[in-house]
Amino acid sequence: SQQGEEDPQALSIQEGENATMNCSYKTSINNLQWYRQNSGRGLVHLILIRSNEREKHSGRLRVTLDTSKKSSSLLITASRAADTASYFCATGSNYQLIWGAGTKLIIKP
Amino acid sequence: NAGVTQTPKFQVLKTGQSMTLQCAQDMNHEYMSWYRQDPGMGLRLIHYSVGAGITDQGEVPNGYNVSRSTTEDFPLRLLSAAPSQTSVYFCASRHDRGSTNEKLFFGSGTQLSVL
Repeated sequence: SQQGEEDPQALSIQEGENATMNCSYKTSINNLQWYRQNSGRGLVHLILIRSNEREKHSGRLRVTLDTSKKSSSLLITASRAADTASYFCATGSNYQLIWGAGTKLIIKP
Repeated sequence: NAGVTQTPKFQVLKTGQSMTLQCAQDMNHEYMSWYRQDPGMGLRLIHYSVGAGITDQGEVPNGYNVSRSTTEDFPLRLLSAAPSQTSVYFCASRHDRGSTNEKLFFGSGTQLSVL
């Protein structure tokens, strides 16, 4: 089953611009996590936001969580070529994380 | 720390063959898991373990076996490979066995093709 659904599926922007991607989910959660996957590599954890938090920052990353709308957004500011990757949200309840299909982000030089 | 190590990186099997994907972590993590990643889909959980001797099924366990005899190792066995098992497989671990309020550490993946 697919709980988190990212939007858009693909995003192409110029280097230096901001990138925003969204994640919607269906059931109640303990937390929501964002991961990055570079082509052909394993996933790397970016940020975790708990259900009682509304916003969290980490460097150029800003994550918001709206539990009333069952949605989250990931903002990457001042994008760089190295940000080119796929980004996944995962919602956590008990032992398991449920993953979305990802947003493919391309940063054009 | 090597983190999570998966072997092999690539594997081609014929239908009906069996094989074991290896996963090892050196972070003393209690929780270990196997996912498969297919194009256009999110990661799907195959099996997971919350400690040595304790395993459980995830979302898509059919055709796969696991065991956990040590904290460090969590091999995934394909009993009789089928073309539907063509996928990229990831092993992931975290310290806390009982909570998802921790990040997962991922291996670099095994790309498996079943002909």
